[in-house]
Amino acid sequence: GENVEQHPSTLSVQEGDSAVIKCTYSDSASNYFPWYKQELGKRPQLIIDIRSNVGEKKDQRIAVTLNKTAKHFSLHITETQPEDSAVYFCAARNRITGNQFYFGTGTSLTVIP
Amino acid sequence: GAVVSQHPSWVICKSGTSVKIECRSLDFQATTMFWYRQFPKQSLMLMATSNEGSKATYEQGVEKDKFLINHASLTLSTLTVTSAHPEDSSFYICSPIGTAERDEQFFGPGTRLTVL
Repeated sequence: GENVEQHPSTLSVQEGDSAVIKCTYSDSASNYFPWYKQELGKRPQLIIDIRSNVGEKKDQRIAVTLNKTAKHFSLHITETQPEDSAVYFCAARNRITGNQFYFGTGTSLTVIP
Repeated sequence: GAVVSQHPSWVICKSGTSVKIECRSLDFQATTMFWYRQFPKQSLMLMATSNEGSKATYEQGVEKDKFLINHASLTLSTLTVTSAHPEDSSFYICSPIGTAERDEQFFGPGTRLTVL
């Protein structure tokens, strides 16, 4: 099955700086890659996603890049704010072979005011 | 996004008792339901996958006789933790999948289970 690795496990940045979280996957057939933000005690919330036919996607301060050849994708948060502090999870899915999502281990992001 | 409810949002029980968690998809029909467990500072761990009207498929290491899953309708799935022990204390999250060709995965709000 798919194996998703995520780095770093913790990340601290100063407010206003950028944060980058990276994930790698093993199944070259995976074709959908979402990123989730999870605040303490709450459900994961989808913040951005990318499909395998696209190399980059941006939504305001958040962007995701995908390198299919290298099998890795990254989350970029610019102009970080304290409310960006949360745990972020990447995931991979092969829609053709099944519905299961494979999650990364998570990154705890702290934005220091 | 999809509307998913989960009940209860939190529960405290004594060791040895059973707890039932309900997950409802309110605005679409869930043909498949994923049940996850999340321990503090860890990722979501898939426990089992159920399809409406059939038996659930459990992940390796998850006891099917301890975690009973019922997916009797397209809008309701239940997870029953039987004979709960303190090590079962965790955050349980459901995630329904519908028949539509959608990539996004939606989650229930989660149930915080604490076993004393």
